[in-house]
Amino acid sequence: TQLLEQSPQFLSIQEGENLTVYCNSSSVFSSLQWYRQEPGEGPVLLVTVVTGGEVKKLKRLTFQFGDARKDSSLHITAAQPGDTGLYLCAGVRNQGGKLIFGQGTELSVKP
Amino acid sequence: EPEVTQTPSHQVTQMGQEVILRCVPISNHLYFYWYRQILGQKVEFLVSFYNNEISEKSEIFDDQFSVERPDGSNFTLKIRSTKLEDSAMYFCASRKDRVLTDTQYFGPGTRLTVL
Repeated sequence: TQLLEQSPQFLSIQEGENLTVYCNSSSVFSSLQWYRQEPGEGPVLLVTVVTGGEVKKLKRLTFQFGDARKDSSLHITAAQPGDTGLYLCAGVRNQGGKLIFGQGTELSVKP
Repeated sequence: EPEVTQTPSHQVTQMGQEVILRCVPISNHLYFYWYRQILGQKVEFLVSFYNNEISEKSEIFDDQFSVERPDGSNFTLKIRSTKLEDSAMYFCASRKDRVLTDTQYFGPGTRLTVL
């Protein structure tokens, strides 16, 4: 079974704090995508990482793909209440492109 | 900006009934997917569809499920005889290109409730 283990599952922090979410697997992925999902809506893509060791930044969000393309992290600097939501990592392995999702991280940023 | 649309947003049905969930993928996309998310659980892949045929399906996608692209724009998921455990959010997604790094765009989902 191809698994993506995402941690932590729940994270509650104060505004201004930094946080990191991890996504780990024993399998190699062709690419890994990070999504944000609001309640009752579909996942919305934040970023795709493709190359081992790749780092991408999206304002206060920094995404990294592990050198071996088996793991990834999302780091948020100076979190704000607007960052509250469900963050999902999802990996692609084969040509068909199906996404294998992690369990998600429910982030709550309190003012 | 083009987007994937899904109808209905919420479907309530009795156990044993057939349901059809509809999706309109982004118009120039070639790859189509259905995923589902049971409340409190992870998003799970159901099926992928390319060139008018299923390219991959999961163990969940048994004989009760079928997909169709009847008219070149709609992409449907049919559940022939719904079970209680089919209650979930169902998401359609589409992708333009064969490149694995290409983005999958998700629709807003259909919440299916089986009573």
